[in-house]
Amino acid sequence: QVQLVESGGGVVQPGMSLRLSCAASGFIFSNYGMHWVRQAPGKGLEWVALIGYYETTKYYADSVKGRFTISRDNSKNTLYLQMNSLRAEDTAVYHCVRGPLFQWLLIGDFWGQGALVTVSS
Amino acid sequence: DIQMTQSPSSLSASVGDRVTITCRASQSISSSLNWYQVKPGKAPKLLIYAASSLQSGVPSKFSGSGSGTDFTLTISSLQPEDFATYYCQQSYRTPFTFGPGTKVDIK
Repeated sequence: QVQLVESGGGVVQPGMSLRLSCAASGFIFSNYGMHWVRQAPGKGLEWVALIGYYETTKYYADSVKGRFTISRDNSKNTLYLQMNSLRAEDTAVYHCVRGPLFQWLLIGDFWGQGALVTVSS
Repeated sequence: DIQMTQSPSSLSASVGDRVTITCRASQSISSSLNWYQVKPGKAPKLLIYAASSLQSGVPSKFSGSGSGTDFTLTISSLQPEDFATYYCQQSYRTPFTFGPGTKVDIK
């Protein structure tokens, strides 16, 4: 069955960097657009970034543009989110989300459990 | 950016009640509207996509309707497992945006 498992979360100081990974299984990873969506403590859902099934298509939320980079390694069935210059407001659970087949829209039919990122001094 | 609003922000209901949640987009998004159920500590679950299409495996007590700017999610007969927070989300254009959520709890 489809599985998305995030890793790499943790506690970091403001200004530091962190890289999240999402290991995908149970489907042909290279055929799907992928997203990162986050949820800050006690807050709602916020879309962060998307990558098309090939790396040519990438979009970011304004709140992370220039600081975060989404990438993928289709040979390893893995999605990444490189987060630089982290701020307190980036504290959230980050979910890896699968989009529709051969599309990069956010229609998230499968979500990972999430990785908690805490930015605090 | 397309702003999404939801009403009510929370509601209390009893088992067996019919519940309706409304979502409004700040501009027309055609039928590019999805609904998710979120429970604490669990991954969000897609209920409805393209405004009215039931996601595979989701019980038929959930239904969606609407197009343009106004949409609704209806739960026909609320069960204990349905107490959760529900979010609408537009997939019309980036940045993809979510509504603020509607928390459904037990009366």
